[in-house]
Amino acid sequence: DTAVSQTPKYLVTQMGNDKSIKCEQNLGHDTMYWYKQDSKKFLKIMFSYNNKELIINETVPNRFSPKSPDKAHLNLHINSLELGDSAVYFCASSQDVGLETQYFGPGTRLLVL
Amino acid sequence: RKEVEQDPGPFNVPEGATVAFNCTYSNSASQSFFWYRQDCRKEPKLLMSVYSSGNEDGRFTAQLNRASQYISLLIRDSKLSDSATYLCVVNGLYNNNDMRFGAGTRLTVKP
Repeated sequence: DTAVSQTPKYLVTQMGNDKSIKCEQNLGHDTMYWYKQDSKKFLKIMFSYNNKELIINETVPNRFSPKSPDKAHLNLHINSLELGDSAVYFCASSQDVGLETQYFGPGTRLLVL
Repeated sequence: RKEVEQDPGPFNVPEGATVAFNCTYSNSASQSFFWYRQDCRKEPKLLMSVYSSGNEDGRFTAQLNRASQYISLLIRDSKLSDSATYLCVVNGLYNNNDMRFGAGTRLTVKP
């Protein structure tokens, strides 16, 4: 029954590694998002996809690459992980772009050592 | 001026108290406004949308003041379960695809 799910929930890895976080929504929504919440709890949008098309690409390092194989999935791949990438990454979805309630996944807690 | 600015708190109030949070936003063309709630180590969840005329949902009242570019959230008769971080969200800052979160206001309700 989970509406927006993310895997893994926890990810501990070494600097320089490449890792992926997966997100799936079963709400039939057209739009999906990735957010980063840092240690100060500030939630910042990274990417947004609508019908598999990238519509928001905030200023994030190009080590971060989102991929949307279909409307229900939005994965985040991170190359050459750095200490500063440690944060909680939330996936979210909404029916359409903009003026819509967003539903968040449980978050992936990434710790880079 | 930050895009979306909130008093970080923390607000520590006794059960039964009334507490109010404000949030200011920088873009006068913003179209939609929300309050989200985030519990410790959990994901944000929608608490309520904020409509131009103001709206109420039980003990929660949200107001929008476009002239002064702020929204507010009033919680009456606080419960222990209201303890959480309250996030102000404004979209349409740059386009309709854009949602911006405030840093959140932390509320602790004590017995």
